Amino acid sequence: KNQVEQSPQSLIILEGKNCTLQCNYTVSPFSNLRWYKQDTGRGPVSLTIMTFSENTKSNGRYTATLDADTKQSSLHITASQLSDSASYICVVSSRGSQGNLIFGKGTKLSVKP
Amino acid sequence: GAGVSQSPSNKVTEKGKDVELRCDPISGHTALYWYRQSLGQGLEFLIYFQGNSAPDKSGLPSDRFSAERTGGSVSTLTIQRTQQEDSAVYLCASSWGQGEYNEQFFGPGTRLTVL
Repeated sequence: KNQVEQSPQSLIILEGKNCTLQCNYTVSPFSNLRWYKQDTGRGPVSLTIMTFSENTKSNGRYTATLDADTKQSSLHITASQLSDSASYICVVSSRGSQGNLIFGKGTKLSVKP
Repeated sequence: GAGVSQSPSNKVTEKGKDVELRCDPISGHTALYWYRQSLGQGLEFLIYFQGNSAPDKSGLPSDRFSAERTGGSVSTLTIQRTQQEDSAVYLCASSWGQGEYNEQFFGPGTRLTVL
């Protein structure tokens, strides 16, 4: 069964600190993996996309990694800001899936001053 | 340009009533998706439309749920005889195409509460 598991479920950090969110998936055949940021009351917004051959992708203070062999991904946030408080969702597409996405439940990040 | 818009933003209804949720995709996007996000759960695929092709309804949880897309643009998700377990945020997304590499752009969602 295609699944995406994320950890931790929630995380509280102080402003300026770094953090890393984890994603494990069992989707096969794998096509690509995206990290989305979902602010409260808003729809998810894509941060990064990685295909099978990509190991790392950065978007500003966000850096995503992918290990296609172990089927793991991480999202590292550097020098966190209050505006980083949101849910971060790992989303995987399978090859030939016609755009059907498999979503993790998300990690709820709270950045405190 | 304008993003995906959804209306209403919040809807409170009584059990047994019918509701209609609306989605306006980004202009020019041929693919449109509906998802449901229940509390503490990941997004759940409901249905998608691609151009003039027959929609993929494989994610609809029951025959009380239906959706249509008029003129290849605006879409309406209808839930008949609502139940309390239908309470969730309903998200719409659109993309240039339906392929797995096409980024889906999401609307803000409609929060449905069934009393």
